[in-house]
Amino acid sequence: DTEVTQTPKHLVMGMTNKKSLKCEQHMGHRAMYWYKQKAKKPPELMFVYSYEKLSINESVPSRFSPECPNSSLLNLHLHALQPEDSALYLCASSRSTWVGGFGGKQFFGPGTRLTVL
Amino acid sequence: GQQLNQSPQSMFIQEGEDVSMNCTSSSIFNTWLWYKQDPGEGPVLLIALYKAGELTSNGRLTAQFGITRKDSFLNISASIPSDVGIYFCAGQLGNYGGSQGNLIFGKGTKLSVKP
Repeated sequence: DTEVTQTPKHLVMGMTNKKSLKCEQHMGHRAMYWYKQKAKKPPELMFVYSYEKLSINESVPSRFSPECPNSSLLNLHLHALQPEDSALYLCASSRSTWVGGFGGKQFFGPGTRLTVL
Repeated sequence: GQQLNQSPQSMFIQEGEDVSMNCTSSSIFNTWLWYKQDPGEGPVLLIALYKAGELTSNGRLTAQFGITRKDSFLNISASIPSDVGIYFCAGQLGNYGGSQGNLIFGKGTKLSVKP
């Protein structure tokens, strides 16, 4: 099983709303990632969790707040977003963040299409 | 910052033709990955490469990890309409055995196949 699931599939929110994106994997992976992808662009890394601890925050605005409740779940809490935050938000997981071996082999979920009005 | 140069940006081919795309960089990578992404979906991992010179196949797809560790190519043989999509290369940076190796993505190759 190499599946990463994400909910919801689509989300429309106003700039004053608070919402959350959810990601789940049951592959026993200990590294999980949030990416943001704009149309016709490659994914951009936002956050990395390694063994449920935040290890990388790529200078993401505080209106995005990640949370890793356990080794299988990853959430992204959204508050006071801007229209330019509209994008496809992708979750990924890998066995670890270790360089070499299988650490870099990341599996992506289907994404959440976010529209901020 | 580190960059991956992926080419071509787009390809329009006839069904049945072979396809070749590649990624190059001035940096050394420890892992090369190739993904395919359909519109509105997440990238799907096609092939992972871990050693310089490694040649790996997945059905009609073949990818190689360059000897210099600075490049990789992906070939698709006998293309079919469902091969349409955007193909991304990604390389993992960092010293082998290090604790943190992020992926750097190429800008993608958009493949269109005429039946």
